[in-house]
Amino acid sequence: GAVVSQHPSWVICKSGTSVKIECRSLDFQATTMFWYRQFPKQSLMLMATSNEGSKATYEQGVEKDKFLINHASLTLSTLTVTSAHPEDSSFYICSAEGLGRGEQFFGPGTRLTVL
Amino acid sequence: KNEVEQSPQNLTAQEGEFITINCSYSVGISALHWLQQHPGGGIVSLFMLSSGKKKHGRLIATINIQEKHSSLHITASHPRDSAVYICVASTGNQFYFGTGTSLTVIP
Repeated sequence: GAVVSQHPSWVICKSGTSVKIECRSLDFQATTMFWYRQFPKQSLMLMATSNEGSKATYEQGVEKDKFLINHASLTLSTLTVTSAHPEDSSFYICSAEGLGRGEQFFGPGTRLTVL
Repeated sequence: KNEVEQSPQNLTAQEGEFITINCSYSVGISALHWLQQHPGGGIVSLFMLSSGKKKHGRLIATINIQEKHSSLHITASHPRDSAVYICVASTGNQFYFGTGTSLTVIP
C-alpha cells in the first residue's frame, strides 16, 4: 500500500530556532497534503491543507507566518515552525491524498520538543 | 456536540478477547478512516471505508452509511494491539476526528 514518511521522527531544539519537518509520499503522487498537530492526550487538529504549487489554506487560529508550509512537488510538503517556543512542542502529523485516488494516507508523525 | 463520537473511551481486555470499538458520526462523509496510534505517538492508517466491510489480518472494519456508524473489531486480541484507535470522518473538504479509544490488552 501507499506509504507516507516524515522526517525527522523527533526533534529537540532551543527556543527561537526554526525547525523544518518533511512529509513525503513514497510511491504515489499527492495532490493534496494535510498537516495536523496533536497535544498530549488530545485528538488530532488540522492545521492546514496544502496543494502542490499553490499557497496553503490554514485553519482558523493557525498562524501562517509561524507555520510555513511549502508543497513544492507532488511527493514532498514541508512544515517549518519558525522561531519555535516551548508552547509549540507537539506531535505533528501529515497526511497525503493520492492523485485521483481520493484516499488519505497518514505519516507516522514528528515529535517536536522545544526547550 | 462533536461530529464524531467514539465509544468506549477506554477499554481493557484480556489477551485473546474479541474487541469492538464504535464510531458514530453526524456529517455526510466521503470516507471514514480508522487510525492506530501507538504509545510513542506513531500513527498507522488501518482502514479507509466508504461502504461495507474491510478485513486485514485480525482487524475488521465495518460501516453502515444509513446509520452513520462504523465499528472496528479486533479478533484474538494481543498485548501489542494496545494503542489508541481514532476514527476520522472525511467529507472531502474537512476531517472530523474522534477523541480516540485507548485500548489496553493484558497478557
